[in-house]
Amino acid sequence: KAGVTQTPRYLIKTRGQQVTLSCSPISGHRSVSWYQQTPGQGLQFLFEYFSETQRNKGNFPGRFSGRQFSNSRSEMNVSTLELGDSALYLCASSLYTPLGETQYFGPGTRLLVL
Amino acid sequence: ELKVEQNPLFLSMQEGKNYTIYCNYSTTSDRLYWYRQDPGKSLESLFVLLSNGAVKQEGRLMASLDTKARLSTLHITAAVHDLSATYFCAVDDNYGQNFVFGPGTRLSVLP
Repeated sequence: KAGVTQTPRYLIKTRGQQVTLSCSPISGHRSVSWYQQTPGQGLQFLFEYFSETQRNKGNFPGRFSGRQFSNSRSEMNVSTLELGDSALYLCASSLYTPLGETQYFGPGTRLLVL
Repeated sequence: ELKVEQNPLFLSMQEGKNYTIYCNYSTTSDRLYWYRQDPGKSLESLFVLLSNGAVKQEGRLMASLDTKARLSTLHITAAVHDLSATYFCAVDDNYGQNFVFGPGTRLSVLP
């Protein structure tokens, strides 16, 4: 069974640009969650999608958005990039919900904003 | 606001020794998660604890949950070098509106 995949793995952008990250969950998993990891703030929950609907959202500005497609693949978009958006972005999939279920994480996308 | 603390933040121990990592959280929740992260890598789910008194074990790691004390422990038995990693606990509040990680405990097992 293939694991969670994330593309691209590495990305360099400049301030003010926008970026789109992609996450393909494990086959059959319908919930996809996104997390940001930085040295300063640690791991933070961004949002969770299930059946193309955002179910939960963490405390991030509206520049951070996402969506999920009918095949459960998810994309995350960050507009008007700031230096502080430099981070490792992780996505995780689970069957129905991250609450109480084992989550499987992708390798992450490392974003550097210059 | 849900806060999650871990103690200690850094732990250096010798192979063969036992130690415990503590995870405290501030609001009511009966779901707690433990993860492992190797340097430069992604997260790996270790344990999902779903009720008061839950205990799970995998190899040299054992996790437990006391929801009344709002405390979870990750006990390491007879540590080996391969256990060197950063360990995170995480809690979701009972409304599922938020999923909060602890700061992580960086474990180094020395030969």
